[in-house]
Amino acid sequence: KNQVEQSPQSLIILEGKNCTLQCNYTVSPFSNLRWYKQDTGRGPVSLTIMTFSENTKSNGRYTATLDADTKQSSLHITASQLSDSASYICVVRENYGGSQGNLIFGKGTKLSVKP
Amino acid sequence: IAGITQAPTSQILAAGRRMTLRCTQDMRHNAMYWYRQDLGLGLRLIHYSNTAGTTGKGEVPDGYSVSRANTDDFPLTLASAVPSQTSVYFCASSLNGGVFANTGELFFGEGSRLTVL
Repeated sequence: KNQVEQSPQSLIILEGKNCTLQCNYTVSPFSNLRWYKQDTGRGPVSLTIMTFSENTKSNGRYTATLDADTKQSSLHITASQLSDSASYICVVRENYGGSQGNLIFGKGTKLSVKP
Repeated sequence: IAGITQAPTSQILAAGRRMTLRCTQDMRHNAMYWYRQDLGLGLRLIHYSNTAGTTGKGEVPDGYSVSRANTDDFPLTLASAVPSQTSVYFCASSLNGGVFANTGELFFGEGSRLTVL
């Protein structure tokens, strides 16, 4: 069964520190992987997309990595800010069309950045 | 540009009542989706529509119905609400869905918090 597992479930860090969130998937065949950020009480917003041929991609202080061989992705946040407090959701798309959109969602990692 | 607009933002509903959650997008996206988000379970797909006039069932469709009369609107109806339908509901859209989804970024609304008593 296609699954997306995220770890840790929750994380508390101090402002200014770095952190890394993990996403392991069993989705096959694989098309792409997106990281979404969901602020409390808001809808998710896409941070970055990783396709099969990409190993790393940065978006400001966010850097995503992808290892398609081991089926793992990480989201590294550098010099965390209070505004980084949110849930981060990993979403993997299967590599064939289908009427359901073929998106497999992780349950998210809840990050709290404390002053 | 508003993007995705959902209404109401929150609602308390008695069990057995009928409820329609509204969703409108102004991005002319072909595909639209309804998800529910529950603590510990993440986002789960209820229904989707890849184009106006068509709909399909997602992972948890029971007790819900949708319609897609035009490109912009995708209402979700609970015919007879039950307490297990207490959740936060998110409407989303993407430029294309299904076989044409490609990299398919989802654009989400701000959610509708529904409590069924």
